Amino acid sequence: RKEVEQDPGPFNVPEGATVAFNCTYSNSASQSFFWYRQDCRKEPKLLMSVYSSGNEDGRFTAQLNRASQYISLLIRDSKLSDSATYLCVVGALSSGTYKYIFGTGTRLKVLA
Amino acid sequence: GAVVSQHPSWVICKSGTSVKIECRSLDFQATTMFWYRQFPKQSLMLMATSNEGSKATYEQGVEKDKFLINHASLTLSTLTVTSAHPEDSSFYICSASLGLYSNQPQHFGDGTRLSIL
Repeated sequence: RKEVEQDPGPFNVPEGATVAFNCTYSNSASQSFFWYRQDCRKEPKLLMSVYSSGNEDGRFTAQLNRASQYISLLIRDSKLSDSATYLCVVGALSSGTYKYIFGTGTRLKVLA
Repeated sequence: GAVVSQHPSWVICKSGTSVKIECRSLDFQATTMFWYRQFPKQSLMLMATSNEGSKATYEQGVEKDKFLINHASLTLSTLTVTSAHPEDSSFYICSASLGLYSNQPQHFGDGTRLSIL
């Protein structure tokens, strides 16, 4: 089982739609959680950190469920510019070293 | 916000050349930086964790003699791909965090696209 798993997609949605991604992680001792967005041939950019109480930033809402070991990202009112790959990242201690583990990413295509 | 600069953005060179990539934290001190590699349509794979003033910690399967990492100051880490071959062609990205164990996110450099002919 992969440490961080995501549905690779692609998710093809029309403009204005609401879309949700899930990400599961295997290490119950994971301490930090993030969503990044990566455009083609570019570096990942931080979209938002994910907190235990859940958090919202404009059209984006992130949730953390520690009991079930998953995090989610909800995008409302999708824009064409939201088309990208969304990476789930989990931070945890591994063999005495703190590491960030990446999911393989979920591709989103917002269609006009 | 935290800014990480990576240089160069593109490198095209002949097989057998050694290539040096720099990663700088511009507005904060980074005791730890990370080096990743990403092949087309794949996720980022951690190569090594670079620690200021000490040896880097390499991931399993990454040759430390092939990928030399130096983290001589709190704002600069370098990755040298020695005697690069076509199979080393990839997108190399560094990142730094404001602090570990404190839920701080990573901030990435722009990445270096390496093409070995």
